[in-house]
Amino acid sequence: EPEVTQTPSHQVTQMGQEVILRCVPISNHLYFYWYRQILGQKVEFLVSFYNNEISEKSEIFDDQFSVERPDGSNFTLKIRSTKLEDSAMYFCASSAQMGEKLFFGSGTQLSVL
Amino acid sequence: DAKTTQPPSMDCAEGRAANLPCNHSTISGNEYVYWYRQIHSQGPQYIIHGLKNNETNEMASLIITEDRKSSTLILPHATLRDTAVYYCIVRETSGTYKYIFGTGTRLKVLA
Repeated sequence: EPEVTQTPSHQVTQMGQEVILRCVPISNHLYFYWYRQILGQKVEFLVSFYNNEISEKSEIFDDQFSVERPDGSNFTLKIRSTKLEDSAMYFCASSAQMGEKLFFGSGTQLSVL
Repeated sequence: DAKTTQPPSMDCAEGRAANLPCNHSTISGNEYVYWYRQIHSQGPQYIIHGLKNNETNEMASLIITEDRKSSTLILPHATLRDTAVYYCIVRETSGTYKYIFGTGTRLKVLA
């Protein structure tokens, strides 16, 4: 079965550093998403991306965050200047139709020290 | 905020049916009921969704009451690998892309 792939599985960074989390969505999917889950808390929506632009974002997704689809296969989340509270598991997801049947990756655990 | 109410935890014996309830009394006519589950800290996994008719797939069955104010996810023969947090989510399929996850039901399947 096709799957969403995320790299790295773990990322440790110093506060104030930039990080890029990478995702390879399922190849024929057109809609891409980032969610995050702080340890012990709910899964939270960050952003959705379609047709090379952001289609929806949450209030969490402030100016420190950006997304990009640099080529035909990768989808990235950049955090410009990480804060301690950015420590979380970040999940990438993709779907063939808008919002339908999301396929999630296994996540990147980001630890900001 | 999530529009659904689920019990925080449930146990089920291995091999028995697991029936997970969900209340969504404020659901509107164009909102679907989706179920996902999360095993350990893995990414959520889609299970099933429906609008008003009962649905069945290879993983589970979804029973929606006639007034649509509640639903039940049924895992017909639970296995240890079904131990997970199960999320019931109500959402429109147009106008918004996001899912709002609640706290879900932590299902423990017991040997």
